[in-house]
Amino acid sequence: NAGVTQTPKFQVLKTGQSMTLQCAQDMNHNSMYWYRQDPGMGLRLIYYSASEGTTDKGEVPNGYNVSRLNKREFSLRLESAAPSQTSVYFCASSEIDDNEQFFGPGTRLTVL
Amino acid sequence: GENVEQHPSTLSVQEGDSAVIKCTYSDSASNYFPWYKQELGKGPQLIIDIRSNVGEKKDQRIAVTLNKTAKHFSLHITETQPEDSAVYFCAAIGGSSNTGKLIFGQGTTLQVKP
Repeated sequence: NAGVTQTPKFQVLKTGQSMTLQCAQDMNHNSMYWYRQDPGMGLRLIYYSASEGTTDKGEVPNGYNVSRLNKREFSLRLESAAPSQTSVYFCASSEIDDNEQFFGPGTRLTVL
Repeated sequence: GENVEQHPSTLSVQEGDSAVIKCTYSDSASNYFPWYKQELGKGPQLIIDIRSNVGEKKDQRIAVTLNKTAKHFSLHITETQPEDSAVYFCAAIGGSSNTGKLIFGQGTTLQVKP
């Protein structure tokens, strides 16, 4: 099992560009999450999906959209990137929403 | 909503010593408290967790204690080793306004000196 995979690993964007971060899990988990990690601020939840077909906002959803494409895949889209979105983005999944979350390796995004 | 505070932000110990990291939470309805370890360049990985119906849990050199009345929980690492050096995060979930939202502390960078 690959666990949780994320693409790309690194990305540099210019202000105003758009991009989609991809996430997939092969553990047949129901719940999936997107976090951002900034120095000194821990991990903050952007969006999550408790089950296929549902999504909900987390702590910091502004400037992002998500799609739960199927049970395996959960993508995060930046429509118009801003320098404040420079961060490391982690995708995670769990069987149900109060169990262990398994994290992907992260995507390091820089917005110039 | 839930708020989790974690202290200290950095911790340096000698190999073989113990390390303690403390977290407080605000929502008394929270009922699940995991601890994650993050090594450089990797995603966080669960090392131990505790639920609100238990006061203490131990797994080899790692233990977690929970005080529901005071709304704080702590991670204890005994006989520290250089490979314990990493960033540790506490988290809480299950508060009154929660549906699956894990709230993390700010993280503690642990350095174990050989």
